[in-house]
Amino acid sequence: RKEVEQDPGPFNVPEGATVAFNCTYSNSASQSFFWYRQDCRKEPKLLMSVYSSGNEDGRFTAQLNRASQYISLLIRDSKLSDSATYLCVVKLRDSSYKLIFGSGTRLLVRP
Amino acid sequence: ETGVTQTPRHLVMGMTNKKSLKCEQHLGHNAMYWYKQSAKKPLELMFVYNFKEQTENNSVPSRFSPECPNSSHLFLHLHTLQPEDSALYLCASSQDTLLDEQYFGPGTRLTVT
Repeated sequence: RKEVEQDPGPFNVPEGATVAFNCTYSNSASQSFFWYRQDCRKEPKLLMSVYSSGNEDGRFTAQLNRASQYISLLIRDSKLSDSATYLCVVKLRDSSYKLIFGSGTRLLVRP
Repeated sequence: ETGVTQTPRHLVMGMTNKKSLKCEQHLGHNAMYWYKQSAKKPLELMFVYNFKEQTENNSVPSRFSPECPNSSHLFLHLHTLQPEDSALYLCASSQDTLLDEQYFGPGTRLTVT
């Protein structure tokens, strides 16, 4: 079983749509959670951290469900520029620096 | 723009060649990382350096040899690679290994022929 599992997509949505991605993680010792964004042929960049209480940054909302071991990312009012691969990332409590990356979910926003 | 630079951006090498990848960070960070990203696979951590000391070798074959002469520079020396080593090699840095956010360089796309 993969440590961090994501639906690869692609999710193909029209501009203005709301889209949600889920991610599940296998290790209950996971401590920190993040969403990174990776554009085609570019490096990953931190989109947002995911807090237990849930957090929002503009059109983006991240939620964490520790009991079910999943993380979600909601994007409202999708823009063409949101087209990218979204990587779910987990850090384990017993490793202070090792980030575990999911394979990513690809989003395509069409005009 | 990213404070982490990598050279070269593209590299094609034969299986008998020796080459080196270079990473430099201009962020004043103390920790640096090498990752491998293969097609359709998640990023895999290869090496971690914290204050120039290697703190993690994630079961990487010896044909990959890292070097960290100072906190700003990180090298990955390559020799006798295999075609399956073809991938995007990403360097990252963070303030230290305890803090969460890692900043990635643009990567070196490596093709082994």
